[in-house]
Amino acid sequence: GQNIDQPTEMTATEGAIVQINCTYQTSGFNGLFWYQQHAGEAPTFLSYNVLDGLEEKGRFSSFLSRSKGYSYLLLKELQMKDSASYLCAVRVTGYKLSFGAGTTVTVRA
Amino acid sequence: DVKVTQSSRYLVKRTGEKVFLECVQDMDHENMFWYRQDPGLGLRLIYFSYDVKMKEKGDIPEGYSVSREKKERFSLILESASTNQTSMYLCASSWEDTQYFGPGTRLTVL
Repeated sequence: GQNIDQPTEMTATEGAIVQINCTYQTSGFNGLFWYQQHAGEAPTFLSYNVLDGLEEKGRFSSFLSRSKGYSYLLLKELQMKDSASYLCAVRVTGYKLSFGAGTTVTVRA
Repeated sequence: DVKVTQSSRYLVKRTGEKVFLECVQDMDHENMFWYRQDPGLGLRLIYFSYDVKMKEKGDIPEGYSVSREKKERFSLILESASTNQTSMYLCASSWEDTQYFGPGTRLTVL
């Protein structure tokens, strides 16, 4: 089976920075996705890393280290609207994704 | 913008009923997927389809079947619903890498 681990919950203050870690042990690896999911809504695409290194996209950045089986999503200048679940997913083979259980981020004023 | 729609947001069915969940995408995507999402377990793949009439089992196909007669439509069928199939069901579509999700159907089986 596939093993994808991320923390269950994180809490941070508005304006702060939060880093959500994801470690994986999978039978294959063809890239790693991060999705954001607000309560009661569909997951929406945030980032896709295939090669090692940092990808920056506005307030959000994603990092990948394939040799360590590790990724993180960095959220800067946190806003209340960033309160959501963040899903780490590995593209194991073909177009199949295996998801972690998700990290619920709560932003407090 | 990619649009993936699901036939119902909320559905309540009785044990033993046959249940159809419909998903439609408007972007001519080749690939379509059905997941269920449960607290603490994340999204788990039930079935996916890479072309019309083509399907492949995901990680938890037991108790489910699927149908893809047209490219834009992918149906999930619960032949005889059971209480352990109470869950949030999410449909997704993709052309290459990125999957785009529908709003989900919260199914309760009594």
